[in-house]
Amino acid sequence: AQTVTQSQPEMSVQEAETVTLSCTYDTSESNYYLFWYKQPPSRQMILVIRQEAYKQQNATENRFSVNFQKAAKSFSLKISDSQLGDTAMYFCAFKLSPNQGGKLIFGQGTELSVKP
Amino acid sequence: GAVVSQHPSRVICKSGTSVKIECRSLDFQATTMFWYRQFPKQSLMLMATSNEGSKATYEQGVEKDKFLINHASLTLSTLTVTSAHPEDSSFYICSARRDTEETQYFGPGTRLLVL
Repeated sequence: AQTVTQSQPEMSVQEAETVTLSCTYDTSESNYYLFWYKQPPSRQMILVIRQEAYKQQNATENRFSVNFQKAAKSFSLKISDSQLGDTAMYFCAFKLSPNQGGKLIFGQGTELSVKP
Repeated sequence: GAVVSQHPSRVICKSGTSVKIECRSLDFQATTMFWYRQFPKQSLMLMATSNEGSKATYEQGVEKDKFLINHASLTLSTLTVTSAHPEDSSFYICSARRDTEETQYFGPGTRLLVL
């Protein structure tokens, strides 16, 4: 069975600085998808970034980038130039393709506080 | 694109009554939708996978007779909590997946309080 682990329950960062959230996963499959979702106090889940496992290039979305290490089964999220609006719970998630029973499996979450 | 709505956003009901929550994909068709439950400060727990035109697939430990799911069209899935009890109080979130991609897009959630 696939598992996702986020080992940092809480983190804080000063505004404008950079922070990295860690995520590891376990699977015996070679094709899968990885996601980072953000859940602000409104509790709306927002997609931050996604990565296909077959792509070696790390995904980036503006201030958000990932460090995808397939052999190590690691998928960390780097937030550059942190903003107050980045304060939220961040969930790492893993998914197989639908024909492999593609349910989204979430980590426990990391609560990020951006301080002014 | 990829907007998912949920209605109602919050509901308070008496113990023993049934509550229906709607999940709609507003700008895309979704053969598959998902229902999650989330307790405070915890991760999302998948309850069931809703498939248009067929029966939902429930996760282990989720009572299918208590949490009725109907996916009548490519843009609408409903979750009915039957004979609700205080322990059913929670935050319920739906998501929908475009048929052409792997990403799930989430609704804003429904906060249910059973008195």
